[in-house]
Amino acid sequence: KQEVTQIPAALSVPEGENLVLNCSFTDSAIYNLQWFRQDPGKGLTSLLLIQSSQREQTSGRLNASLDKSSGRSTLYIAASQPGDSATYLCAVRPGNQGGKLIFGQGTELSVKP
Amino acid sequence: NAGVTQTPKFRVLKTGQSMTLLCAQDMNHEYMYWYRQDPGMGLRLIHYSVGEGTTAKGEVPDGYNVSRLKKQNFLLGLESAAPSQTSVYFCASSHGTSGKLFFGSGTQLSVL
Repeated sequence: KQEVTQIPAALSVPEGENLVLNCSFTDSAIYNLQWFRQDPGKGLTSLLLIQSSQREQTSGRLNASLDKSSGRSTLYIAASQPGDSATYLCAVRPGNQGGKLIFGQGTELSVKP
Repeated sequence: NAGVTQTPKFRVLKTGQSMTLLCAQDMNHEYMYWYRQDPGMGLRLIHYSVGEGTTAKGEVPDGYNVSRLKKQNFLLGLESAAPSQTSVYFCASSHGTSGKLFFGSGTQLSVL
């Protein structure tokens, strides 16, 4: 059974720091992996989508990497800002389960001014 | 510019009452999903659909039913609400298995 883990559960950093959020999964047979952002009381917004054949995706100050063999993905945020404060979730789409996505529990990020 | 729209945004039910949550998407996506989000449990898939007229069970389907009569709509029904169904419900859609998931803004449901 695929399981997705995100560590740490919470992270607090001063503004301007570069930071890395981690996501691990137990079964390397995935179709793709997505990183989402969720603000309090809101829905999820997709940040980056990495297909299984890709190693990384970049969008602005965000860079996501994927290492299927080790079952890991990282989300790198450069020059963090208070507006980056939110919960970040990763989700994998298992390769043999059609429409399902399996979510991690998320990392709650707080960027202090 | 609507994306995924959920109605209602808030609802309070008494135990045993029924209700239907509506999800509508205007992106012509084949896949649609219903998730619930609970503190400490994360997001859990209730039911999903890979196309009009088809539905499938997710991780926590008990107590819920769904219908996908039109491609753009995915309905989630609670026939006899229970306090354990108090949660935030999210609908999402995607263009097949390779596309990004787009989420609605959620429905806060309380069952007393």
